[in-house]
Parts: sequence; C-alpha cells; structure tokens
Amino acid sequence: AQSVTQPDIHITVSEGASLELRCNYSYGATPYLFWYVQSPGQGLQLLLKYFSGDTLVQGIKGFEAEFKRSQSSFNLRKPSVHWSDAAEYFCAVGAMDSSYKLIFGSGTRLLVRP
Amino acid sequence: NAGVMQNPRHLVRRRGQEARLRCSPMKGHSHVYWYRQLPEEGLKFMVYLQKENIIDESGMPKERFSAEFPKEGPSILRIQQVVRGDSAAYFCASSPYNDRRTGELFFGEGSRLTVL
Repeated sequence: AQSVTQPDIHITVSEGASLELRCNYSYGATPYLFWYVQSPGQGLQLLLKYFSGDTLVQGIKGFEAEFKRSQSSFNLRKPSVHWSDAAEYFCAVGAMDSSYKLIFGSGTRLLVRP
Repeated sequence: NAGVMQNPRHLVRRRGQEARLRCSPMKGHSHVYWYRQLPEEGLKFMVYLQKENIIDESGMPKERFSAEFPKEGPSILRIQQVVRGDSAAYFCASSPYNDRRTGELFFGEGSRLTVL
C-alpha cells in the first residue's frame, strides 16, 4: 500500500535561515508527489507538485522540492525562511487506484524564530 | 472564480445528535473528496464522489457516516449519533477531472466539528 512518512513532527528555524522538510514515500512505480501548506484554521494550499521530468520542482512562495527515486524522497526546501512561512506542511502521494485520491503524511509543523 | 465552499465553518453538537457538513466544489469541478483531520494528525481520506455516485468510500467508518453528491446542490457529509471521537476538522476537496496527470485537489477551509 502507498504511504507517506514525514519523520519530523516539529521543526524550528530562525528567520532568514534555510529550511528542509523531509518526506519519504512508499510506492513501486513513479509516484505523483505533492507538498501542501496549511496555515492555522485554514485549508490546504498547494505549494508544488511532481509528475515526471525534471526532478527539481519549483513552487510558489520560493519553495522547491527534489525528487530522489533512489532514496524514495521528496524533500521540500527554501533557502531563506520568512516569519510568514510558519505553518503546517503536508507531503502527499497520489493514489494509483481509480480514485486518484491523495494520501497524506502526518505533517511537519514549522516554527520560525524572529 | 469562487473556491471550494464549506459550511458551516464551525459546528457544535451534543453526543447523539446529527451533524451535516456541506461542500460546494469549485465551478466546473465534478469530483469531490472528503478528508478528516483529527487534532495533531494529518488528513485521512474518507470518500470520493462524482455526481450522484460514490466511487470510493474505503475510508468511511462503517457506521453512522454517509456522504452524497446529488445532481443538484452541494455534497453532504452526514454523521449520525455523533460521539466525542468525531470531533475533528472535515475538509472537502474538488477536482475538475479524475486524471493522474494533474492530481491536484483544491481544498476548502474545512468544517470544524466539536462534540460535547
């Protein structure tokens, strides 16, 4: 069965520092991968997605993610974090059954120190 | 172009009452997904519907929960005889088509159910 693991429950970084959020997936074929962000009390907003092609994907708000098949990973990065980036981040993989639903990881909460 | 609209945003029910959560997908979207987010947890898939059809309900609890997406009107998630463990945020997402090449789901802001 497909699954997504986000090993870090919380991460705290200083404003201006770089950020990397980890995501590992379990799936045999080429996965469809997504990163979503959720601000407190809000819905989810898509940051970026990977289907095929270039393994380095650019998203909104200065985020990028790199697909590494050998490591079954799709880590999210940002070179310089802003205080407004504090939120919950979810990695997801697209199910390969007929529903094409998304299977989410448990999320990583990002705290930003001033 | 309005996004996915969910209402109510907040709902309080006593144990044993019924909860009805509504979701209007984005204009032109005919695929609706419901997810549940328990406190401090990720989103868990519940059900996938197209107009007048339940396609995948593998994530729905076997009892008390039901969902529909009628030909006209919003999709409705119904929880009968609520218990405290039903307290959660329920998110609806929609998609214009069932295509793995896009796969993106557009989420509403959620309905937060509190069971007293």
